[in-house]
Amino acid sequence: AQKVTQAQTEISVVEKEDVTLDCVYETRDTTYYLFWYKQPPSGELVFLIRRNSFDEQNEISGRYSWNFQKSTSSFNFTITASQVVDSAVYFCALSSYGGSQGNLIFGKGTKLSVKP
Amino acid sequence: KAGVTQTPRYLIKTRGQQVTLSCSPISGHRSVSWYQQTPGQGLQFLFEYFSETQRNKGNFPGRFSGRQFSNSRSEMNVSTLELGDSALYLCASSLGQLDNEQFFGPGTRLTVL
Repeated sequence: AQKVTQAQTEISVVEKEDVTLDCVYETRDTTYYLFWYKQPPSGELVFLIRRNSFDEQNEISGRYSWNFQKSTSSFNFTITASQVVDSAVYFCALSSYGGSQGNLIFGKGTKLSVKP
Repeated sequence: KAGVTQTPRYLIKTRGQQVTLSCSPISGHRSVSWYQQTPGQGLQFLFEYFSETQRNKGNFPGRFSGRQFSNSRSEMNVSTLELGDSALYLCASSLGQLDNEQFFGPGTRLTVL
């Protein structure tokens, strides 16, 4: 069975602090995709990144970076120098052939609060 | 390029009624997926439609159904509403392949009284 675990329910930091959001996944498929989405208070899920199971290179996009480690089945997300606008709920998700293309399996989400 | 649109944005119904939600995907996208988001269960997959065919279905009772039209627009229907159906219903569209990211609409907030 596929499963995504985000152990951190809520995180609160002060602006300019670095913060890492953890994501651990389970799947029996060898080909799969991992995603991170951001959900601001408005409710709409915003796509942040996609990573396939064959590409373990870390990725950096501005203040965002992602660390994918197949050995530990983790796909962690780090925000450097956090800002108040980063406050949102962040979801890690998994898509695999076992779950079909259109079926994203989401973690429970991590609510990030960045205080000024 | 217009994003995914969902109508209505807010809806209030009473127990026992039925409801139909609509989703218009991004132009050119052939896959539409529906998700239910509740505080207790989080984001759960309802079903996916691709080229007017249901391609996958989540673990929801038969009261939840959907369909997709030839222009890729999709509707989902919930019959005999229960209090527990109160949720944010999100629709997502994609090109339909495994590696395609899904783009989400703003959701329909359904409240069942």
